[in-house]
Amino acid sequence: GAGVSQSPSNKVTEKGKDVELRCDPISGHTALYWYRQRLGQGLEFLIYFQGNSAPDKSGLPSDRFSAERTGESVSTLTIQRTQQEDSAVYLCASSLTSGKAEQFFGPGTRLTVL
Amino acid sequence: GENVEQHPSTLSVQEGDSAVIKCTYSDSASNYFPWYKQELGKGPQLIIDIRSNVGEKKDQRIAVTLNKTAKHFSLHITETQPEDSAVYFCAASPSNYGQNFVFGPGTRLSVLP
Repeated sequence: GAGVSQSPSNKVTEKGKDVELRCDPISGHTALYWYRQRLGQGLEFLIYFQGNSAPDKSGLPSDRFSAERTGESVSTLTIQRTQQEDSAVYLCASSLTSGKAEQFFGPGTRLTVL
Repeated sequence: GENVEQHPSTLSVQEGDSAVIKCTYSDSASNYFPWYKQELGKGPQLIIDIRSNVGEKKDQRIAVTLNKTAKHFSLHITETQPEDSAVYFCAASPSNYGQNFVFGPGTRLSVLP
């Protein structure tokens, strides 16, 4: 079956530009997560959506980062006025409910800010 | 908050040998510990997990042990194969149904033929 998909797979942008990254979770998964993975590093939690509840934004590193999710479907992560330190792979994951621990990850979007 | 350390950062083993990766965590409230495997160009995938009410769990060639007193847990891979080569991440979560995991920095495992 279809897994978590993300687009684009690669994004190169100039410093100061805005970017939008998209995540399509597995159908029926109510929980959705965004992580950032810098080169050679672990996974840094950014934001978590669970159904129609208010998202947990505690991991967003600055107000340049924001994310939206409509219902239990697609999510977009927006980074405004990109900086070179934003260069990383951005991973999206979904899980069946907040009570299910296994998170299914997408392949990620590799963002390069020049 | 929770802090997870992971060692070693890189590990090379000969095919057929065993590999052990160790993680420590700081938050005594954490009680769910998954391990993820990330192959090149892919997202991480859960390979095994353990909850705080057990000390060991096995799944074929993979096992995880947990010492809650010492706040550390380990991944053991026996009879390693080239396809085990990947980056492995441990994580800790403060609830059995953790929404947010704190991940370790990862271990790059290379299995040499």
